[in-house]
Amino acid sequence: GQNIDQPTEMTATEGAIVQINCTYQTSGFNGLFWYQQHAGEAPTFLSYNVLDGLEEKGRFSSFLSRSKGYSYLLLKELQMKDSASYLCAVNFGGSYIPTFGRGTSLIVHP
Amino acid sequence: KAGVTQTPRYLIKTRGQQVTLSCSPISGHRSVSWYQQTPGQGLQFLFEYFSETQRNKGNFPGRFSGRQFSNSRSEMNVSTLELGDSALYLCASSAGSNIQYFGAGTRLSVL
Repeated sequence: GQNIDQPTEMTATEGAIVQINCTYQTSGFNGLFWYQQHAGEAPTFLSYNVLDGLEEKGRFSSFLSRSKGYSYLLLKELQMKDSASYLCAVNFGGSYIPTFGRGTSLIVHP
Repeated sequence: KAGVTQTPRYLIKTRGQQVTLSCSPISGHRSVSWYQQTPGQGLQFLFEYFSETQRNKGNFPGRFSGRQFSNSRSEMNVSTLELGDSALYLCASSAGSNIQYFGAGTRLSVL
């Protein structure tokens, strides 16, 4: 199958750093997305990784290792508004329709 | 530029009924995809339309169908509703890149 695994829930403290991991089957890998979804709202695009390495966008960074089938989303200087679900999604084969993981619910507390 | 718009936002139906959901993509986007989101299964792909043609289909029964109009607006229909169809239905549009832009969804409750 094309399993995408990420932790169900994580908690962190305001101002801290948190890393959300995502692992996937490497066969047919074509690109990996991270989306943020606040409760009751639309998922919003955060990042897209195709090549190995770290991409930084402000407080958020995304890392990819294609050989290991592994990615992480790094959130720095956590704010209460970062409490949300973070979805990892992967394009496999020739498909441009991503397969989504079940999401990681991040709770940021004071 | 307006985002992806889905109507209605909330819907309550009873078993056996049918329902139609609507999605207006971002202007200029020709690809529209539909997803079902539930706490247990996450985001599950239903189908994708491009230029009024269904281009991709997920593993859902034939009770789930859709269509796309010439202005790229899309509708999704579910017939003979079951309790298990209760979910958040998300629509996403794309302009040819891999990035999908989602609407806020329609929350369907089947009683």
